[in-house]
Amino acid sequence: DVKVTQSSRYLVKRTGEKVFLECVQDMDHENMFWYRQDPGLGLRLIYFSYDVKMKEKGDIPEGYSVSREKKERFSLILESASTNQTSMYLCASRGVTEAFFGQGTRLTVV
Amino acid sequence: GEDVEQSLFLSVREGDSSVINCTYTDSSSTYLYWYKQEPGAGLQLLTYIFSNMDMKQDQRLTVLLNKKDKHLSLRIADTQTGDSAIYFCAGYGGDSSYKLIFGSGTRLLVRP
Repeated sequence: DVKVTQSSRYLVKRTGEKVFLECVQDMDHENMFWYRQDPGLGLRLIYFSYDVKMKEKGDIPEGYSVSREKKERFSLILESASTNQTSMYLCASRGVTEAFFGQGTRLTVV
Repeated sequence: GEDVEQSLFLSVREGDSSVINCTYTDSSSTYLYWYKQEPGAGLQLLTYIFSNMDMKQDQRLTVLLNKKDKHLSLRIADTQTGDSAIYFCAGYGGDSSYKLIFGSGTRLLVRP
C-alpha cells in the first residue's frame, strides 16, 4: 500500500516561530511537491523537488523554504510564521505515472 | 505555463451519471489526473490517463480525453451519496516540466 505521510494532522504555532512540516514517502519517488489549499483559491504550488537536493519554486514561494536531503523526505519550512500562512498544507509524491497525496496538515498561526 | 479550469459545482440525483469537465492549456501535458477530496482530508487519486490515450475505464469511472479541444472529462456511473466530494483535475509534464498543476475543483453534490 503506497504511502505519503505528513508528520502532523493539526498544528498551532505562534507568529514569528520557525515551523517545520515534514513529508515522507515510501515509494522511491523522484518528484515531491508542497501545496497550500485555501477556500476559493484551490491548490497553489509552493515548492517542488525533482531529485535529492534539487528544488524549484512554485507559484507562491515567498515566506517558505524547503529541504530535500534524502529521497524519501521533503520538508517545508516557514522561516517566520505569519497569520496569513494559516492554511491546509498538502504534500504529494510522484513516480513514473501516479501521484499520491498525504492526509494534509492544517496549520493555524496565532 | 499550464492553466487548468473546471466548473465549480455539479448536482445530480443518486443513481444518475455525473460528468465533471476540465479544460487545460498545455497540449504537451503527458499525464492528466483526477482526484477526489472529502471534507478535511487529503486528495485521493482516482485515476489518470496518459496523453496518447482517448479513453480509460476503471469500474464506475470513465475518463475521456479530447486532445484537439484540450478537454478532459470524468464520468461517474450510478452516482452514490458517498461520491459527494470535490473533484480536481491536474496536468503534469509538457511546458510545465515537473510541475503538477491543478484546476480549482468541482464540488459534486449527490441528492438522495
